[in-house]
Amino acid sequence: QKEVEQDPGPLSVPEGAIVSLNCTYSNSAFQYFMWYRQYSRKGPELLMYTYSSGNKEDGRFTAQVDKSSKYISLFIRDSQPSDSATYLCAMSPGPSGTYKYIFGTGTRLKVLA
Amino acid sequence: DAGITQSPRHKVTETGTPVTLRCHQTENHRYMYWYRQDPGHGLRLIHYSYGVKDTDKGEVSDGYSVSRSKTEDFLLTLESATSSQTSVYFCAISGQDQETQYFGPGTRLLVL
Repeated sequence: QKEVEQDPGPLSVPEGAIVSLNCTYSNSAFQYFMWYRQYSRKGPELLMYTYSSGNKEDGRFTAQVDKSSKYISLFIRDSQPSDSATYLCAMSPGPSGTYKYIFGTGTRLKVLA
Repeated sequence: DAGITQSPRHKVTETGTPVTLRCHQTENHRYMYWYRQDPGHGLRLIHYSYGVKDTDKGEVSDGYSVSRSKTEDFLLTLESATSSQTSVYFCAISGQDQETQYFGPGTRLLVL
């Protein structure tokens, strides 16, 4: 079993829909949780970063962490065709410099105009 | 792109040849990383560096070596390339707060 599990998709939604992307993990030591967006043939781009539990909002994006269920989510409101990309979750027990990130395999999202 | 460049961006090489990929940063960050990305595996850490001349192995380090003689440059060498090393290679740097990583544009390597 992988430490971080992520549904590969593709997930297809109509423009304007609310999108929910999720990752589950097995290591209860994870404290830092990240979401990256990766466009085709580009490098991952940091979207959201959350420490420990709770919600964090940034514009149309909300990151949610439920440590009791070992489950993290990224919500995208009013989705746009430009949101079509692969979304990677990443997590670690501590700060990046000292601890290694563990990545999910990514969920491919298609937002249809 | 967080001041990270990678070169070359694309490379085709033959089995058995050595290959060196370069990562250059303009952010003066202490930590640098090399990952490979393959379908079904996500991003996997090859090697990382926590300072000039200070490096350590990641989870998939066999067949790879690294060097860091300057803060801004982190080199990844495939000592004798194999077809299993065909992949997309990403360099990352860790922000000053050490809580986030920023990625370069990637190098696509094809080993024939």
